[in-house]
Amino acid sequence: AQSVTQPDIHITVSEGASLELRCNYSYGATPYLFWYVQSPGQGLQLLLKYFSGDTLVQGIKGFEAEFKRSQSSFNLRKPSVHWSDAAEYFCAVGANTGFQKLVFGTGTRLLVSP
Amino acid sequence: DAGVIQSPRHEVTEMGQEVTLRCKPISGHNSLFWYRQTMMRGLELLIYFNNNVPIDDSGMPEDRFSAKMPNASFSTLKIQPSEPRDSAVYFCASSLDGRGGTEAFFGQGTRLTVV
Repeated sequence: AQSVTQPDIHITVSEGASLELRCNYSYGATPYLFWYVQSPGQGLQLLLKYFSGDTLVQGIKGFEAEFKRSQSSFNLRKPSVHWSDAAEYFCAVGANTGFQKLVFGTGTRLLVSP
Repeated sequence: DAGVIQSPRHEVTEMGQEVTLRCKPISGHNSLFWYRQTMMRGLELLIYFNNNVPIDDSGMPEDRFSAKMPNASFSTLKIQPSEPRDSAVYFCASSLDGRGGTEAFFGQGTRLTVV
């Protein structure tokens, strides 16, 4: 069964600074990987996903993520954070066979300081 | 499309009462998922349906929880009887075909408080 680890519970970044959120996964084959964002009181919105091809994936809102098989990682990055990026970010892994069963990490709460 | 619609947005109920959460998936999507989010356990998949058929309910915590999908446009998650530890945000999500690489679209959730 697949699993996801997000080692950082909270991260504080200054507005305009770069951001990297960590995600490590466990799965026996090439997984499907996702990053979702959750704003307060809202559902989850997909930022980007990876399932094949170029290991550097571009998403919405200026986010990107890089799949590194050797490190079992799928870290999310943004070169310059905006105050509106403050939210909770979830990494998720899905099996690449059969029906989708997304397993989510515990999330990283991003705080943006002025 | 209006997206995945959940109702109610908030529910406060007394312990022992029956609670029913409702979900309308995006039209044309054939897979539906119920998740529960708590501070302690994060996001947990409770059950998912494909073409209205429950495929995996291994995440359903106990017999007090049941879910149905009588047709392609409606699903319910019922808790009977409810307990304070069921307090959480319950999300419904749908996807086009439920396969691994397909994006799941989430509703805004139902915040359940059992007192």
